[in-house]
Amino acid sequence: KQEVTQIPAALSVPEGENLVLNCSFTDSAIYNLQWFRQDPGKGLTSLLLIQSSQREQTSGRLNASLDKSSGRSTLYIAASQPGDSATYLCAATGRNNDMRFGAGTRLTVKP
Amino acid sequence: GAVVSQHPSRVICKSGTSVKIECRSLDFQATTMFWYRQFPKKSLMLMATSNEGSKATYEQGVEKDKFLINHASLTLSTLTVTSAHPEDSSFYICSPRAGPEAFFGQGTRLTVV
Repeated sequence: KQEVTQIPAALSVPEGENLVLNCSFTDSAIYNLQWFRQDPGKGLTSLLLIQSSQREQTSGRLNASLDKSSGRSTLYIAASQPGDSATYLCAATGRNNDMRFGAGTRLTVKP
Repeated sequence: GAVVSQHPSRVICKSGTSVKIECRSLDFQATTMFWYRQFPKKSLMLMATSNEGSKATYEQGVEKDKFLINHASLTLSTLTVTSAHPEDSSFYICSPRAGPEAFFGQGTRLTVV
């Protein structure tokens, strides 16, 4: 059964800093990996989707990489802003479309 | 991105009653619906998967008679929590799927008193 782990569990940085969130998964036979943002008490907002054949995806200040062989993905956030404060979740999708989530990284960007 | 509507966003019910949560995909047809549960400061836990017109497949440890899932059309699925108890209090999120990218409803905060 796929297990997804995210490190660190929580992160606090000053505004303007670049940061990296880590995600690891135990079963490399994934269909894709997706990063989400979740604000308190809200649903999930999709940030980036990386197909299994891809190495990275970029959207604005966000860049996500995928290394299937090592079972790792990273989310890089450039020039962080207070509005980036949220919980970031990664999820690995298996061949039958079932998604397994990490526990998330709770990010706080201080003004 | 795709538009998903889930409601109610919050519901408080008495122990022993049933609660129905609706999930609609507004601008796409979802062949598969996933229902998740999330405990405070924890990740999402997959409860069940359903395909339109078929019975849902439940994850191990999830009681199918307590969490009734109906996926009667390609745009609507419902989750009914039957005979709710305080331990059923949680955040429930739906995820209708039509392709590789996953989209989610805004979630339903259920509190059983």
